[in-house]
Amino acid sequence: AAGVIQSPRHLIKEKRETATLKCYPIPRHDTVYWYQQGPGQDPQFLISFYEKMQSDKGSIPDRFSAQQFSDYHSELNMSSLELGDSALYFCASGSGGVEQYFGPGTRLTVT
Amino acid sequence: QKEVEQDPGPLSVPEGAIVSLNCTYSNSAFQYFMWYRQYSRKGPELLMYTYSSGNKEDGRFTAQVDKSSKYISLFIRDSQPSDSATYLCATDAGGTSYGKLTFGQGTILTVHP
Repeated sequence: AAGVIQSPRHLIKEKRETATLKCYPIPRHDTVYWYQQGPGQDPQFLISFYEKMQSDKGSIPDRFSAQQFSDYHSELNMSSLELGDSALYFCASGSGGVEQYFGPGTRLTVT
Repeated sequence: QKEVEQDPGPLSVPEGAIVSLNCTYSNSAFQYFMWYRQYSRKGPELLMYTYSSGNKEDGRFTAQVDKSSKYISLFIRDSQPSDSATYLCATDAGGTSYGKLTFGQGTILTVHP
């Protein structure tokens, strides 16, 4: 079965640079969720989209923005990167139910 | 204080043992309760979820929710080495916060042969 695809899988950036993470949800899923998981931490909800509209927002810094496109893929844009942004970024998708299906994650390292 | 508390372990058991994983939560608005399994360097994988109080069984896994005590449990019967992973409980308040999961810290489980 098709799963959530995230790219890139690994990303190394320097402080103050910009990063773009991409997420391709499971086909026919209309909802995308973004989570940030720091080392040894639990995933923290960042933001979600339903039918290309932002549906909820969590502890997402103002330096981050995201959107969902007409083909339902989503991008998380992160600017003015800080060392503390180093983490695993997960995208999950769903189709209106409780279940969220997570992708493999993008490991972002800020040096 | 975190809204969902989970003993991080680590927990080490022999193959075939019954494993009990637990979480407590503080927000009485939480309506949905999930258990995710996360292998190293992988995304969380949904094992099962329950709505409100009660039990749910799926093969070797049983989830229990007691809303009166705000307690969530996952039992694994006949544990296998392949069950070795981090187990995360998660909650969802539903309503306008539907889909905004709040996770526990995760319990690291090792099942040794």
